[in-house]
Amino acid sequence: NAGVTQTPKFQVLKTGQSMTLQCAQDMNHEYMSWYRQDPGMGLRLIHYSVGAGITDQGEVPNGYNVSRSTTEDFPLRLLSAAPSQTSVYFCASSPGAYRGYTFGSGTRLTVV
Amino acid sequence: AQKITQTQPGMFVQEKEAVTLDCTYDTSDQSYGLFWYKQPSSGEMIFLIYQGSYDEQNATEGRYSLNFQKARKSANLVISASQLGDSAMYFCAMLSYTGFQKLVFGTGTRLLVSP
Repeated sequence: NAGVTQTPKFQVLKTGQSMTLQCAQDMNHEYMSWYRQDPGMGLRLIHYSVGAGITDQGEVPNGYNVSRSTTEDFPLRLLSAAPSQTSVYFCASSPGAYRGYTFGSGTRLTVV
Repeated sequence: AQKITQTQPGMFVQEKEAVTLDCTYDTSDQSYGLFWYKQPSSGEMIFLIYQGSYDEQNATEGRYSLNFQKARKSANLVISASQLGDSAMYFCAMLSYTGFQKLVFGTGTRLLVSP
C-alpha cells in the first residue's frame, strides 16, 4: 500500500501565486485532514473532511480552500500565496471509528 | 474546545535511561482518544501509541507506555531504556469522538538522547 501520498515534496512560490497541494490515499479512509507545521507551534489543523462532499474548517483556514470530490483525493488550494504561508504541510487520513490518522511525508512550501 | 498542552519544550536523557514526556489535555467530551507521534529529523510523523478514554489499562507498545490519569487529564508518554534513535520531536494529540473527528496536537517536546 502506498498509504498517504503528497505532492510535491518541495515548492517555492512567489507572493500572489496560487497552487494546489495534492493528497491521495489508497486505504479507503473516510476522514482526511490538512495540517501546517511551524516551529514552536506543533501541527495546526487547516481543513478536514469526513467523506466525499463534506468538508469543514479547522483552526487556521484563512487563505486555503479544499474540496473532496472522491474518497481518495483531498487537494489543498492556496488562493493567493503569502509569506506567512511558508510552512510544512501534512495531509493525513483515518478510517474513523476510533482509529488514528496516517500521515503523508509532507510538503515544504516557501513563499517569497 | 479541545486543547493539548506539552509544557516541556526540550528534554535530555542518557542512553538506557527512562524518560517521561508530559501531556495534559482539556475537553468536555466523554469519548476521546489520545495519541503520541514521533517526528525524527527526516520529518515524517510516526504513530507510537494510543489510549482510549474508556480504556481501563494503560496502553503499552514495546518500550513505549502511556501513563493515563483521566481525573487529572494527563497522558504522559514513558520511554523505557532510551536509545540514540529516540532523539526526535514528540507530539501528543487528542481525537474527540463526538461529532467530527478532529485530531488536535500539542506543540511538541524535543527529546535528545546522549551516549
